[in-house]
Amino acid sequence: AQSVTQLGSHVSVSEGALVLLRCNYSSSVPPYLFWYVQYPNQGLQLLLKYTSAATLVKGINGFEAEFKKSETSFHLTKPSAHMRDAAEYFCAVYTAGGNNRLAFGKGNQVVVIP
Amino acid sequence: DGGITQSPKYLFRKEGQNVTLSCEQNLNHDAMYWYRQDPGQGLRLIYYSQIVNDFQKGDIAEGYSVSREKKESFPLTVTSAQKNPTAFYLCASSIGSMNTEAFFGQGTRLTVV
Repeated sequence: AQSVTQLGSHVSVSEGALVLLRCNYSSSVPPYLFWYVQYPNQGLQLLLKYTSAATLVKGINGFEAEFKKSETSFHLTKPSAHMRDAAEYFCAVYTAGGNNRLAFGKGNQVVVIP
Repeated sequence: DGGITQSPKYLFRKEGQNVTLSCEQNLNHDAMYWYRQDPGQGLRLIYYSQIVNDFQKGDIAEGYSVSREKKESFPLTVTSAQKNPTAFYLCASSIGSMNTEAFFGQGTRLTVV
């Protein structure tokens, strides 16, 4: 079964600094990979997704992620953090032919320090 | 506007009571899902439905029940058999399988008092 690992439940970053959130996946077949963002007491919103086209995926709000098959990783980055980036971020994986479900990581709570 | 509507936003339940959470979508999506979110645990799948009148258990279905009588609606009932129901519940839908984007509702926060 597919799974996702996100390390570090809380991530603090200074305003203007690089945001880096790590995601490693486990899947026996080529996966579909997603990053979602959740603001307090709200649902999840798609940031970006990897579907086997380009390995570098650009998303909304200046975020991007790079798929590295050799490292089974899909890390999320943003060059310069804004206060509005404070939220919880989830990595998720889907594999075709599996049990038709998204497997989510435990999330990273991002705190932006002014 | 197309989207997913969950109601109510906040819900309080006494121990031993059943309660039903509503989820409606007007996106014409075939597939709908219920997830439970607890702090530090990510999202865990309760039930999902790929087509009307059909649904499957997810990873934590015990103590929950669902129905899918209409394409637009996928209500979740939290029964008294659910030992720890206090959580944030999220409904989602997708066009077909979840290799496409999943759209989420705003969530219902259930508290047992």
